[in-house]
Amino acid sequence: GAVVSQHPSRVICKSGTSVKIECRSLDFQATTMFWYRQFPKKSLMLMATSNEGSKATYEQGVEKDKFLINHASLTLSTLTVTSAHPEDSSFYICSARDAGESNQPQHFGDGTRLSIL
Amino acid sequence: AQKVTQAQTEISVVEKEDVTLDCVYETRDTTYYLFWYKQPPSGELVFLIRRNSFDEQNEISGRYSWNFQKSTSSFNFTITASQVVDSAVYFCALSGGGADGLTFGKGTHLIIQP
Repeated sequence: GAVVSQHPSRVICKSGTSVKIECRSLDFQATTMFWYRQFPKKSLMLMATSNEGSKATYEQGVEKDKFLINHASLTLSTLTVTSAHPEDSSFYICSARDAGESNQPQHFGDGTRLSIL
Repeated sequence: AQKVTQAQTEISVVEKEDVTLDCVYETRDTTYYLFWYKQPPSGELVFLIRRNSFDEQNEISGRYSWNFQKSTSSFNFTITASQVVDSAVYFCALSGGGADGLTFGKGTHLIIQP
């Protein structure tokens, strides 16, 4: 089946650091990728939709200058949390749509647990 | 706007009991997709099922079954003869047509006691 690889799985870093998270579709082309955020014991909230070769579409309330998204190829999208602070600590998970499949299935990565000290 | 409601925040049953997880959704789209995902403590999302709005047939997969009723905007999930390994958080989710992301419910934490 379709595989989405998300890296790193866990990051612990100091406040003020910028952190990049990668989301790769390993065996399919993904014209659209999605980034979600999950606080502890909470639901997943869509942050932004990443489209290959164009600007990402951010959900209301998500700071685009804080969460930079780049989707430069059909198999890779990156989320950079700029100047991270403790309140940015969360579980971030990406998903990807297979351009070759209909009815928009989404394949999820295993997530990145970000902890800002 | 889309909305998914999982009213049960936590359910605890003894192993081998049957358990039903409720999901009610709201959408103005005529075409939409409903999903169930399992999230074990390790955090990854395990895909369980996808159902489109035109297919109201119930589905059974092993011990899992799903009941989709458009009339009540519900997409409930039943686990028969539950097992300890079924313990996890289960999310119901909704997506419209096009390039929409998923709208998730708040999740139901299912605890299966031995």
